[in-house]
Amino acid sequence: GDSVTQMEGPVTLSEEAFLTINCTYTATGYPSLFWYVQYPGEGLQLLLKATKADDKGSNKGFEATYRKETTSFHLEKGSVQVSDSAVYFCALPSGGYQKVTFGTGTKLQVIP
Amino acid sequence: DVKVTQSSRYLVKRTGEKVFLECVQDMDHENMFWYRQDPGLGLRLIYFSYDVKMKEKGDIPEGYSVSREKKERFSLILESASTNQTSMYLCASSPTWTAGELFFGEGSRLTVL
Repeated sequence: GDSVTQMEGPVTLSEEAFLTINCTYTATGYPSLFWYVQYPGEGLQLLLKATKADDKGSNKGFEATYRKETTSFHLEKGSVQVSDSAVYFCALPSGGYQKVTFGTGTKLQVIP
Repeated sequence: DVKVTQSSRYLVKRTGEKVFLECVQDMDHENMFWYRQDPGLGLRLIYFSYDVKMKEKGDIPEGYSVSREKKERFSLILESASTNQTSMYLCASSPTWTAGELFFGEGSRLTVL
């Protein structure tokens, strides 16, 4: 079945450092791909998405490019801030009825 | 502002108790979902509903049931709570036309003693 594999955390970075969180997927066809973010004490919210191969999703300084050759959707940010500390989930729709499969999440901690 | 509201942020229950977790959305979405979130396991789908009175099992339905009597409300029921159901429960909704775009509530942290 469809699945998502994320790099394990936690990831600890200093403010203004470059961030990469790896995500690879297994899926039938070419589904849309998503990154969700969960700030402390909150539910998940959609961060960005890409709907087809070679698309780049972007939001709040984060970017991810849909690469079908490597079945990857890595999340990047050029300069992280303390406020980016959160758990990040890679996800894809799978099966019918709008079901979504999530990765295990990667916790990011940014220190001043 | 769109909103998914979960009735309780924190609950503490005893083994064997019946537990109701309520979720209400104000976006007129057709689809609603219950996930549980556990460290190292990510989010796992318990049940979902694509219409009023319709429900489908997710990946881990054992020990749970659901009810959707109105479009805006989706309830998760633990008939007899057990300690291994201690977890964070997340409700989400989505419209039919946007595959993968879920709107989440803030979560309900359940502790079963």
